[in-house]
Amino acid sequence: QKEVEQNSGPLSVPEGAIASLNCTYSDRGSQSFFWYRQYSGKSPELIMSIYSNGDKEDGRFTAQLNKASQYVSLLIRDSQPSDSATYLCAVIRDTGFQKLVFGTGTRLLVSP
Amino acid sequence: DVKVTQSSRYLVKRTGEKVFLECVQDMDHENMFWYRQDPGLGLRLIYFSYDVKMKEKGDIPEGYSVSREKKERFSLILESASTNQTSMYLCASSLRAEEAFFGQGTRLTVV
Repeated sequence: QKEVEQNSGPLSVPEGAIASLNCTYSDRGSQSFFWYRQYSGKSPELIMSIYSNGDKEDGRFTAQLNKASQYVSLLIRDSQPSDSATYLCAVIRDTGFQKLVFGTGTRLLVSP
Repeated sequence: DVKVTQSSRYLVKRTGEKVFLECVQDMDHENMFWYRQDPGLGLRLIYFSYDVKMKEKGDIPEGYSVSREKKERFSLILESASTNQTSMYLCASSLRAEEAFFGQGTRLTVV
């Protein structure tokens, strides 16, 4: 079982729709959760961080965390073509060290 | 402004060469990481460091070593480069269990 799992996609949505990206993780001791966006040929950049159960909103983005189900999601409202990228879920495992582990990413395509 | 700088953007090396990839951060972060990224495989952790001279193996350490002599600098060493180490290498740093910031990446080709 992979430590962090994501559907590779592509996830295709029309402009203006809500894009829903999902991630599951295997280590119940995981303590911090992140969503990164990566454009082709570029480095990942942080979009959202979430540390406790529930929802966290920032502009068009909402991160949701459910530790009981070991599930993290990212909602993008009013999707724009510029949101087309690969979205990486990352988790810090509680190994005594802050080991940051990534999923393989979900490719999002937003069509005009 | 946060800054993580990798020494080279593109690098071409020959099989068997010893290769050094350098990473410097100016944020006084304790944690530093080296990943490689390959199509379909995502970011795979090679090594990470949580303090000066301290290091831990990641998920794919074979064929690599690291050095952290100063807090701001974390080096990845390919002891004897092989063609299967052709990849994009990404360095990142973080403050404890907070978000990581990435360098611009080094695309290494081993011929």
